[in-house]
Amino acid sequence: AQTVTQSQPEMSVQEAETVTLSCTYDTSESDYYLFWYKQPPSRQMILVIRQEAYKQQNATENRFSVNFQKAAKSFSLKISDSQLGDAAMYFCAYRGGVSGGGADGLTFGKGTHLIIQP
Amino acid sequence: DAGVTQSPTHLIKTRGQQVTLRCSPKSGHDTVSWYQQALGQGPQFIFQYYEEEERQRGNFPDRFSGHQFPNYSSELNVNALLLGDSALYLCASSWWGLVGREQFFGPGTRLTVL
Repeated sequence: AQTVTQSQPEMSVQEAETVTLSCTYDTSESDYYLFWYKQPPSRQMILVIRQEAYKQQNATENRFSVNFQKAAKSFSLKISDSQLGDAAMYFCAYRGGVSGGGADGLTFGKGTHLIIQP
Repeated sequence: DAGVTQSPTHLIKTRGQQVTLRCSPKSGHDTVSWYQQALGQGPQFIFQYYEEEERQRGNFPDRFSGHQFPNYSSELNVNALLLGDSALYLCASSWWGLVGREQFFGPGTRLTVL
């Protein structure tokens, strides 16, 4: 079974600074997807960024980028120019069994609570 | 375009009772997944429905069951409630035909078991 580990229960960063959230995972599959989701206090889970394992290029979405190290099974999220609205729980998630499509239940880490200091 | 909706928002039940949670997927989506999120934890996958059939199941007992209707909406049923079933239950929808598809989440139902 796949596992996702987020070793930072809480991170704090000054507004406008850069912060990196860590995620490692364990899998025997070669083809999969990785996701970062944000869950603000309103509870609604929102997708931040997605990475396909077969792509060597790291995904980028505006201020959010990832450092995907497939061999090390590491998938960190970098948030640049942090804003107050970035404060939330951040969850790393894994989706395997990509080959042939099919069901895709996500495996989540325990999350990192990100605090933005004004 | 309505996103994923869930009802009710909050629910309080007693141990041993049964509960039904409801989910309407985002317009155009045909696949519904359910997750349980205990306080301070990440969501755990319960099961996924497509074409009115359970397609994948996580490590949850048979007390957890579901259903998907022809209009793609879904229900999650939990029988013989335990205190440990207290959690936020999240519904997510997606389109089966898109590989690597994003799952769109609803706001959740907060279940408290006393």
